[in-house]
Amino acid sequence: GESVGLHLPTLSVQEGDNSIINCAYSNSASDYFIWYKQESGKGPQFIIDIRSNMDKRQGQRVTVLLNKTVKHLSLQIAATQPGDSAVYFCAENAPGAEAAGNKLTFGGGTRVLVKP
Amino acid sequence: DGGITQSPKYLFRKEGQNVTLSCEQNLNHDAMYWYRQDPGQGLRLIYYSQIVNDFQKGDIAEGYSVSREKKESFPLTVTSAQKNPTAFYLCASNPGQYKAGYTFGSGTRLTVV
Repeated sequence: GESVGLHLPTLSVQEGDNSIINCAYSNSASDYFIWYKQESGKGPQFIIDIRSNMDKRQGQRVTVLLNKTVKHLSLQIAATQPGDSAVYFCAENAPGAEAAGNKLTFGGGTRVLVKP
Repeated sequence: DGGITQSPKYLFRKEGQNVTLSCEQNLNHDAMYWYRQDPGQGLRLIYYSQIVNDFQKGDIAEGYSVSREKKESFPLTVTSAQKNPTAFYLCASNPGQYKAGYTFGSGTRLTVV
């Protein structure tokens, strides 16, 4: 498969354990955040999003936490499975983005490796 | 099902050739984007288009060109001026709304031979 990042930070997790992936975002004015999952050789897939008026949002087996004070975003994956092995990206959207094509700013990504 | 289709999945280019990567969406999205992905460097924006017949340069537009003649299509041409074109190219779309996120295609891997 295609390697999307040979030098990405890597999180190695035992199957069944919880994973926590962190992201420091750049713009204190950003008010919308997304986590994407990218499997080898494929395009990124939406996992979960959160708006800045929330601190926490839960999905199926995933939780996103937002700390605006320190500009930090995290993705928690419960009971990590082999299918969770992928690269995970955070992205942010800031006010004024409409005038610039609603551009998202992406983080560098974290590779998650699930050990059986 | 609605989505974005990129083709081909793999593309090989000889030195000095121009090649065109296809991106088609049936999501009725107004905005479309091209990103380049290199190992360890995340996603870098090449070009984007908010409406038909209009497009804007992204952060790394040199050596690339695009067109947006139809809402559903946003092809990317990698010209011979792009000296290091080997990369994974991703197309994405957005309904043209803030806080809506992107839908991505499955990517095209371009290799110079």
